[in-house]
Amino acid sequence: AAGVIQSPRHLIKEKRETATLKCYPIPRHDTVYWYQQGPGQDPQFLISFYEKMQSDKGSIPDRFSAQQFSDYHSELNMSSLELGDSALYFCASSAKNTEAFFGQGTRLTVV
Amino acid sequence: QKEVEQDPGPLSVPEGAIVSLNCTYSNSAFQYFMWYRQYSRKGPELLMYTYSSGNKEDGRFTAQVDKSSKYISLFIRDSQPSDSATYLCAMRGPGTYKYIFGTGTRLKVLA
Repeated sequence: AAGVIQSPRHLIKEKRETATLKCYPIPRHDTVYWYQQGPGQDPQFLISFYEKMQSDKGSIPDRFSAQQFSDYHSELNMSSLELGDSALYFCASSAKNTEAFFGQGTRLTVV
Repeated sequence: QKEVEQDPGPLSVPEGAIVSLNCTYSNSAFQYFMWYRQYSRKGPELLMYTYSSGNKEDGRFTAQVDKSSKYISLFIRDSQPSDSATYLCAMRGPGTYKYIFGTGTRLKVLA
């Protein structure tokens, strides 16, 4: 069965650089969620999109932005990267009112 | 106080034991409840999904929701060393697109 695809799997950036993370949801899923998980931490909700519109917003820094495109894939753009942004970034997708399935994540390391 | 509380463990049990994992929550509007299993550096894997109250069984796993007590449980029967992982509960309310996670419980099943 198709799963949530995230790219890249690993990313190393320097401080103050920009990063773009991509998420391809399960086919026919219309909702995408982004989470950030620091070492030993639970996933923290960043933002979600339903039918290409932002649906909920969590603890997403102003330096980050995201959008969902017409083909339902989503991108998380992160600018002015800081050391503290190093984390696993997960994308999940769901059809409305059903369970969310997670991708394998993008490991971002800021040096 | 966090909206979802979960004992971080670690919880160590012998192989074959019945494991009980629990979460409490404060938001009475939560209606959708999920349990995820996460291996180190991997994406959360959906184990169980329950809507509203009641029990749900799938193989060795049983999920229980007690909305009156704001308490959910995951039981694992005949636990195996391969069950060693972090177990995360997640939940959301109606009309929202944001799953709130517990901190996760680390489980170790000893052979």
